[in-house]
Amino acid sequence: GDSVTQMEGPVTLSEEAFLTINCTYTATGYPSLFWYVQYPGEGLQLLLKATKADDKGSNKGFEATYRKETTSFHLEKGSVQVSDSAVYFCALSDHQAGTALIFGKGTTLSVSS
Amino acid sequence: DSGVTQTPKHLITATGQRVTLRCSPRSGDLSVYWYQQSLDQGLQFLIQYYNGEERAKGNILERFSAQQFPDLHSELNLSSLELGDSALYFCASSVDGTGVLHEQYFGPGTRLTVT
Repeated sequence: GDSVTQMEGPVTLSEEAFLTINCTYTATGYPSLFWYVQYPGEGLQLLLKATKADDKGSNKGFEATYRKETTSFHLEKGSVQVSDSAVYFCALSDHQAGTALIFGKGTTLSVSS
Repeated sequence: DSGVTQTPKHLITATGQRVTLRCSPRSGDLSVYWYQQSLDQGLQFLIQYYNGEERAKGNILERFSAQQFPDLHSELNLSSLELGDSALYFCASSVDGTGVLHEQYFGPGTRLTVT
């Protein structure tokens, strides 16, 4: 079945460092890809999305490009802030299998000043 | 604030008991999704309702059931509770049944602890 694999955390960075969180997927159809963020004690918020190959999603300085050839959707940010500390989830929705989201296990990011 | 509300915020109960979790979707959203977040299983899709009808099922146990009412709020019923059912239960809503190109908005979750 469809699945999402993302890098194990926690990821610990200093403020203004470059961030990459790796995400790869397996899907039988043509999925849409998402990054969600979960701040402590809160629900999940959509950070960015891409619906077809080569699309780039971006929001709040975060970017991810849908790479069909490598089945990847890595999250990047050029300069992280303390306020970016949260858990980041990569997810997919497979058009052929329905609209529910399949999530990776999440990566905890901790940014220190 | 996503506009999705969930009650209660916390629930502590004993094994063998039954509980009901409630979700009110964003105004105008017809689809409701239920997800379970646990340390060992991560975030898993349980079930989806669209405009009162069951639309899709995921890894939902037979002891669990859900429904969506005419006012579009949804309830997730968990019965014969086991220790392993302790988790954070999220509800999400989207504007229509496709959901793929429409964002799912998540509620703050209900934390269930089974003792």
